[in-house]
Amino acid sequence: SAVISQKPSRDICQRGTSLTIQCQVDSQVTMMFWYRQQPGQSLTLIATANQGSEATYESGFVIDKFPISRPNLTFSTLTVSNMSPEDSSIYLCSGLGQGVTQYFGPGTRLLVL
Amino acid sequence: AQTVTQSQPEMSVQEAETVTLSCTYDTSESDYYLFWYKQPPSRQMILVIRQEAYKQQNATENRFSVNFQKAAKSFSLKISDSQLGDAAMYFCAYRRVNTDKLIFGTGTRLQVFP
Repeated sequence: SAVISQKPSRDICQRGTSLTIQCQVDSQVTMMFWYRQQPGQSLTLIATANQGSEATYESGFVIDKFPISRPNLTFSTLTVSNMSPEDSSIYLCSGLGQGVTQYFGPGTRLLVL
Repeated sequence: AQTVTQSQPEMSVQEAETVTLSCTYDTSESDYYLFWYKQPPSRQMILVIRQEAYKQQNATENRFSVNFQKAAKSFSLKISDSQLGDAAMYFCAYRRVNTDKLIFGTGTRLQVFP
């Protein structure tokens, strides 16, 4: 299984600012993903982070709001841009290796005031 | 489009007893994977158990087992000998073979009482 870490673990931000979340995997994974989990709700896929190319975004999510980078097989960043209180959520990174199972990071709890 | 439904927002069980969490899904595919994930309060989401649709035998991991009914598109999780540490949100998830996307249900919050 992959061990996934995220930084920061939590943050409180002012509206209109941006926050970049980092995700590090301890072993090479083929796929990396970013999810949003709003309070008390399920996980919604934001995008698939592609190494060396633009991320693939799900319906309702755009690159200008959630730019994603993946410079190598074990690292990715998600930026939440021009934040509003509606962006308050947990943001989770996950990785999929050669197997079937996705493994998740601990999440970044974001509160926007 | 595939969907995953968890009809029990909350469940409770007494310690040492058995509880079953329900999950149904909708798909036209014949080959896919099903998962149960556990998310304890303020803690990391972890995999509980996985089932490949082509396998007729129900998956088992220690106290956790599934009842996979492919024709009925049902995938319930049974937790035996419940422990206080089992208290968490449980998410059922579906993934089609040859894709990487997980589709999650809305979750079931399990409380365990001593």
